[in-house]
Amino acid sequence: GAVVSQHPSWVICKSGTSVKIECRSLDFQATTMFWYRQFPKQSLMLMATSNEGSKATYEQGVEKDKFLINHASLTLSTLTVTSAHPEDSSFYICSAPQLAGTDTQYFGPGTRLTVL
Amino acid sequence: AQSVTQLGSHVSVSEGALVLLRCNYSSSVPPYLFWYVQYPNQGLQLLLKYTSAATLVKGINGFEAEFKKSETSFHLTKPSAHMSDAAEYFCAVSEAAGGYQKVTFGIGTKLQVIP
Repeated sequence: GAVVSQHPSWVICKSGTSVKIECRSLDFQATTMFWYRQFPKQSLMLMATSNEGSKATYEQGVEKDKFLINHASLTLSTLTVTSAHPEDSSFYICSAPQLAGTDTQYFGPGTRLTVL
Repeated sequence: AQSVTQLGSHVSVSEGALVLLRCNYSSSVPPYLFWYVQYPNQGLQLLLKYTSAATLVKGINGFEAEFKKSETSFHLTKPSAHMSDAAEYFCAVSEAAGGYQKVTFGIGTKLQVIP
């Protein structure tokens, strides 16, 4: 099946710094990728939809200036958490449909962010 | 708006016993339904999906789920639990949105398998 990777797998940073998380589709092109956040013992919540060549679409309540998304190519989307604070500590997961409009998404392994 | 309700945030079964994880959905259009499994500190792996074909869907690792429109349910079952089945399971529903499928997840059910 299709493979989606994320880098880094975990990161610890100081409060006030910015952190960039990469999501790559390894053996297929993804014009659309999704970013989710998962707090401990909770479900995945969709944060935003990343679109190659255009602006990301953010879900209600997600600050676009805090969570910067760049979909620079058909295989790479990045999520930058700017001026991170301890409440941003979470598990961030990306996903991508192998084919546009299809129902099956492939999920990355996730990135554990801890903000001190 | 679509939604998913998973009944029971924690389920414990003995090894070899039947696994039943419950999921009810709400959708204004015929739904696509999924079950995903998540192992600690890992992403999600698709177990199975329903996309308006056969109502009984077979997935990986011996799991299956039955779509029941009259009950708006999509419960996940496995005849005999294995220790390796211990994980968190998410039911999800998707709907088309602007050319892609927007997925809504349930809160998850943590399955514990007792030896």
